[in-house]
Amino acid sequence: DGGITQSPKYLFRKEGQNVTLSCEQNLNHDAMYWYRQDPGQGLRLIYYSQIVNDFQKGDIAEGYSVSREKKESFPLTVTSAQKNPTAFYLCASRPKGSYEQYFGPGTRLTVT
Amino acid sequence: EDQVTQSPEALRLQEGESSSLNCSYTVSGLRGLFWYRQDPGKGPEFLFTLYSAGEEKEKERLKATLTKKESFLHITAPKPEDSATYLCAVQGDYKLSFGAGTTVTVRA
Repeated sequence: DGGITQSPKYLFRKEGQNVTLSCEQNLNHDAMYWYRQDPGQGLRLIYYSQIVNDFQKGDIAEGYSVSREKKESFPLTVTSAQKNPTAFYLCASRPKGSYEQYFGPGTRLTVT
Repeated sequence: EDQVTQSPEALRLQEGESSSLNCSYTVSGLRGLFWYRQDPGKGPEFLFTLYSAGEEKEKERLKATLTKKESFLHITAPKPEDSATYLCAVQGDYKLSFGAGTTVTVRA
């Protein structure tokens, strides 16, 4: 069964702690993306990767970091430098030759 | 800068009451316009891709249309299971830009 998985579904952290969100896909897609969703706003791009071992900053990369060591995996670390980390985080992937992005189920991060 | 504006923000419908959602956009070089459905607490689910003005796509009670400045998502005779937030996104030369969405509630 092909798809995108994100884990965990819910994550709770204290301020000052780094946290890593997992994103895995078995669709054989080259490009992967991380978005943040806040109430009343459109999805905002954090980071994206078009190929293994390469990634670029999106519109709101400050306080976040990523890695792309394998085609299937694109983990996102939310660092203590991110001022407002509480949000719904969405991972997406895109097949080569298409602009259509397909999303995972999301991770809701709450930082107190 | 690419911009996507969706209206209305929220729409409450009676079952069977048809209506339309609007997505207006400005983009440098439209590569595609996408509609997604998002249920609460879940990731967006892909619905349609439109590439050029005049194009239309249909799926069950949903029909998407595209002009040079906007797209409409028509919901015909909606059912309660059509309740969701509908997101519009446009792919320009450099990136995919999203609207804030329209939340549709269909009452039985």
